[in-house]
Amino acid sequence: DVKVTQSSRYLVKRTGEKVFLECVQDMDHENMFWYRQDPGLGLRLIYFSYDVKMKEKGDIPEGYSVSREKKERFSLILESASTNQTSMYLCATLRDRFSEQYFGPGTRLTVT
Amino acid sequence: AQKVTQAQTEISVVEKEDVTLDCVYETRDTTYYLFWYKQPPSGELVFLIRRNSFDEQNEISGRYSWNFQKSTSSFNFTITASQVVDSAVYFCALSEALYGNKLVFGAGTILRVKS
Repeated sequence: DVKVTQSSRYLVKRTGEKVFLECVQDMDHENMFWYRQDPGLGLRLIYFSYDVKMKEKGDIPEGYSVSREKKERFSLILESASTNQTSMYLCATLRDRFSEQYFGPGTRLTVT
Repeated sequence: AQKVTQAQTEISVVEKEDVTLDCVYETRDTTYYLFWYKQPPSGELVFLIRRNSFDEQNEISGRYSWNFQKSTSSFNFTITASQVVDSAVYFCALSEALYGNKLVFGAGTILRVKS
């Protein structure tokens, strides 16, 4: 079974703080993704990576950056957290094109 | 541009009722994949089904069934004899051939099954 883990289930940060969300997978998948989930908007893609050190912007990359130094780990960085980044953040992995994505449990981030 | 619409924001049913969750998609690609995911209260999305654009056969898996109709660009999901454990948020998603590793999600439908 694929296992995708995220560093925290709940996180509370202050405006202006630098925030790191970590995602680790154990199935050697090439592709990894970060989404944010907001009520009424579904899941929106922030960034994805198809290989180590490779990254591509998704639909809403503003205010975020990512890092993929090792195949199994994909980090989402909020350089200066703002209240409008309060959301549920979901990490996912993908074995190959058109296969299903596997999701982590999510991190509910609150920025005050 | 690709788009997925789940017009039903929230549905409430009583246990043992049948319920259908609607999904309408837009794409200019002739090759694409459609997905359904379930998100229970624990938060982790669970994959339910994948269907490619060349396979319009309906699928049944236990109490779950899916109706794919290209003529109406719809991929609806029916739960027969619903149970309380079916309570969750359900997402429909689309992947186009050109962007094979990206998913576009609908807004989701909250299903509440009451005992």
